[in-house]
Amino acid sequence: AQSVTQLGSHVSVSEGALVLLRCNYSSSVPPYLFWYVQYPNQGLQLLLKYTSAATLVKGINGFEAEFKKSETSFHLTKPSAHMSDAAEYFCAVSVQGAQKLVFGQGTRLTINP
Amino acid sequence: DTEVTQTPKHLVMGMTNKKSLKCEQHMGHRAMYWYKQKAKKPPELMFVYSYEKLSINESVPSRFSPECPNSSLLNLHLHALQPEDSALYLCASSQTQTGSYEQYFGPGTRLTVT
Repeated sequence: AQSVTQLGSHVSVSEGALVLLRCNYSSSVPPYLFWYVQYPNQGLQLLLKYTSAATLVKGINGFEAEFKKSETSFHLTKPSAHMSDAAEYFCAVSVQGAQKLVFGQGTRLTINP
Repeated sequence: DTEVTQTPKHLVMGMTNKKSLKCEQHMGHRAMYWYKQKAKKPPELMFVYSYEKLSINESVPSRFSPECPNSSLLNLHLHALQPEDSALYLCASSQTQTGSYEQYFGPGTRLTVT
């Protein structure tokens, strides 16, 4: 069965600094991977997804993620943090034919002025 | 248009009440989902409808009753809920139920059971 581990329940960075949110997956077959963002009292918004077309995936709001099969990782990065990036971030995995998305526990990103 | 709408935004109900949550999408998606999310936790899958048929029930108590009247609408009927059922209820949809298609989420209904 597939699973996702997000390293760090809380990450704090300064405005303008690099954002790195870590996600490792476990899957016996090629996975599909997603990053979602959730702002307070809102639903989840898709940031980006990996579906085997390219290992470096660019998403919305300047975020990108790199799929590394050898490390079973799909870390999310943004070169320069903005105050508006403060939110909860979820990594999720599914596989072809799977009937559901499996979420990690989430990482809360705080941006310091 | 990638919008999933949910009504109501907030709902307060007593343990003996009957209420319903509504979800709508007009993206032509054929899979729709209900999730429950407690504070500081990831969403937990409750139900999946695929082509208007219930395909997954994650052992949800019978006080939650889903309904999919047509391909655009998804309801969640609530009856005799418990205070621990208070949570954010999220609806989502995807093109189909296969793993490669992303799910689009609605803004959620904040439910409080008193």
